Amino acid sequence: QVQLVESGGGLVKPGGSLRLSCAASGFTFSDYYMSWIRQAPGKGLEWLSYISSSGYTIYYADSVKGRFTISRDNAKNSLYLQMNSLRAEDTAVYYCARAGSSIPNWFDPWGQGTLVTVSS
Amino acid sequence: ETVMTQSPATLSVSPGERATLSCRASQSVGSNLVWYQQKPGQAPRLLIYGASTRATGIPARFSGSGSGTEFTLTISSLQSEDFAVYYCQQYNNWPPWTFGQGTKVEIK
Repeated sequence: QVQLVESGGGLVKPGGSLRLSCAASGFTFSDYYMSWIRQAPGKGLEWLSYISSSGYTIYYADSVKGRFTISRDNAKNSLYLQMNSLRAEDTAVYYCARAGSSIPNWFDPWGQGTLVTVSS
Repeated sequence: ETVMTQSPATLSVSPGERATLSCRASQSVGSNLVWYQQKPGQAPRLLIYGASTRATGIPARFSGSGSGTEFTLTISSLQSEDFAVYYCQQYNNWPPWTFGQGTKVEIK
């Protein structure tokens, strides 16, 4: 079945860096757009970044532009999020999600999420 | 940016009753709207896409309606497993893809 599994979360100090990974299985990863979405504790959902199936088209939310970098390796069926200059407000559960194939649309499915805590 | 506003923030409903959740967009999103359900400690799950089409495996008691800027998710007869937080999201005007702030459906 279609599955997304995130990894790489953890505790990091303000100003630090972390790289999240998302392993995809059960579908042809290279055919699909992908996104990262996060959820701060007790809060709602915030879209962060999108990458096209080829990797050539990328978008970021203003809140992470210039600090986060999305990438993918279609040969490894993997999606990544490099997070630099982390702030306390980046503390959240980070989800990867499939974002459509012919056109970007909704997010389905989602991974189980990985918790990132930014604290000194 | 298209701002999505959901109401109410919390809805108290008895099992077996009908629940009606609203989502409003700050500009037209056509029918390019989805609804997700999220239970504590779980990732969101797709319920409805295209404003009114149930996703695979979603029970018929869930229905979506609306277009343009006004949308509704109706749960016709609440089951115990339906108590959760529900989010709407638009995919018409992107980037960014934007979510409502959520409606929590709790047991009355």
